[in-house]
Amino acid sequence: AQTVTQSQPEMSVQEAETVTLSCTYDTSENNYYLFWYKQPPSRQMILVIRQEAYKQQNATENRFSVNFQKAAKSFSLKISDSQLGDTAMYFCAFMDSGGGADGLTFGKGTHLIIQP
Amino acid sequence: ETGVTQTPRHLVMGMTNKKSLKCEQHLGHNAMYWYKQSAKKPLELMFVYNFKEQTENNSVPSRFSPECPNSSHLFLHLHTLQPEDSALYLCASSPDGSSYNEQFFGPGTRLTVL
Repeated sequence: AQTVTQSQPEMSVQEAETVTLSCTYDTSENNYYLFWYKQPPSRQMILVIRQEAYKQQNATENRFSVNFQKAAKSFSLKISDSQLGDTAMYFCAFMDSGGGADGLTFGKGTHLIIQP
Repeated sequence: ETGVTQTPRHLVMGMTNKKSLKCEQHLGHNAMYWYKQSAKKPLELMFVYNFKEQTENNSVPSRFSPECPNSSHLFLHLHTLQPEDSALYLCASSPDGSSYNEQFFGPGTRLTVL
């Protein structure tokens, strides 16, 4: 079974700073997908970024980028120029390539607080 | 605002009650999911439906009973729940069961079992 570990329960940074959220995972699969989801206080979970394990290039989406280290099974999220609206719970998630029939495996989440 | 809606948003029930949670998606998706989000625990996958067929029951107690009458609607029927079942129940949908697809989440139903 896959597991996802987020070792930072809470982080707080000043607006405009860069912050990195860590995520490690454990799997015996070679092909899989990794995701970062954001859950703002309104509780609607939304996708931030995703990475295919077979791609060496790190995914980027505007201010969000990942550092994917397959050998180390590490998948960190970097948020540049942080904004107040980035305050939320951030969940790292894993899905193997066998299909969505297994759903997503989530970490416990990191509560990110952006201070004005 | 995503295309996934859940009702009710809040529910308080006794252990002997029977209630149902409803999820509806307007995205034309064919896969739907139930997740349970408890405090200080990772989101837990409960059930998966792909093209109206249940493809996953993640060792969920029988007091939770899912129903998927069509690709747009998903229900979670609840009966004789326990206080430890209190949690946020999230519904999600995706185009199909493929791994790469983004799952779109609803706002959740906050369930309290007394």
